[in-house]
Amino acid sequence: RKEVEQDPGPFNVPEGATVAFNCTYSNSASQSFFWYRQDCRKEPKLLMSVYSSGNEDGRFTAQLNRASQYISLLIRDSKLSDSATYLCVVSQDSSASKIIFGSGTRLSIRP
Amino acid sequence: EPEVTQTPSHQVTQMGQEVILRCVPISNHLYFYWYRQILGQKVEFLVSFYNNEISEKSEIFDDQFSVERPDGSNFTLKIRSTKLEDSAMYFCASSADRGSNEKLFFGSGTQLSVL
Repeated sequence: RKEVEQDPGPFNVPEGATVAFNCTYSNSASQSFFWYRQDCRKEPKLLMSVYSSGNEDGRFTAQLNRASQYISLLIRDSKLSDSATYLCVVSQDSSASKIIFGSGTRLSIRP
Repeated sequence: EPEVTQTPSHQVTQMGQEVILRCVPISNHLYFYWYRQILGQKVEFLVSFYNNEISEKSEIFDDQFSVERPDGSNFTLKIRSTKLEDSAMYFCASSADRGSNEKLFFGSGTQLSVL
């Protein structure tokens, strides 16, 4: 089983739609969870951290389910500028020395 | 806003040559990382560095690779004898904290092409 697994997509949705991505991780000792976005041939940029209680930042909502070892990201009212690859990122252990990226889910928003 | 800077943005080298990729992490950060991304593939962890020593390294980070913080501001990745398969985008990252609060800030990367 991959350490961090994501549906590669692409997800192709119309502007204004709601879209959700899931990510699963294999190491139950994982401590910290994040969503990053990456535009083509650019560096990853932090979108949001994922907390056990769930958290929301504007149109973006992240959830963590430790029992099932998955993380989700929900984007409401999607904009053209949301088109990117969304990376699920997991810190592997309590030392936080090894932070692992999923392969990413490609999202394309059409007008 | 403080940022991680990487130089050069592009590096072309011949197979077997040594390359040094340079990074200047955010000034008050304590944890430093190198990642690489082969075109079309995922971002792969190479190495993490704290308190002037390697904290963790992946299977990719073999004896060909080394890291150094030579002067308190730069953080370098050296590849001793480059192979064709080392061609990738190399990202440096830094973070202020570890544990549940760490967030990685990435530089814009060095595109390494080995011919």
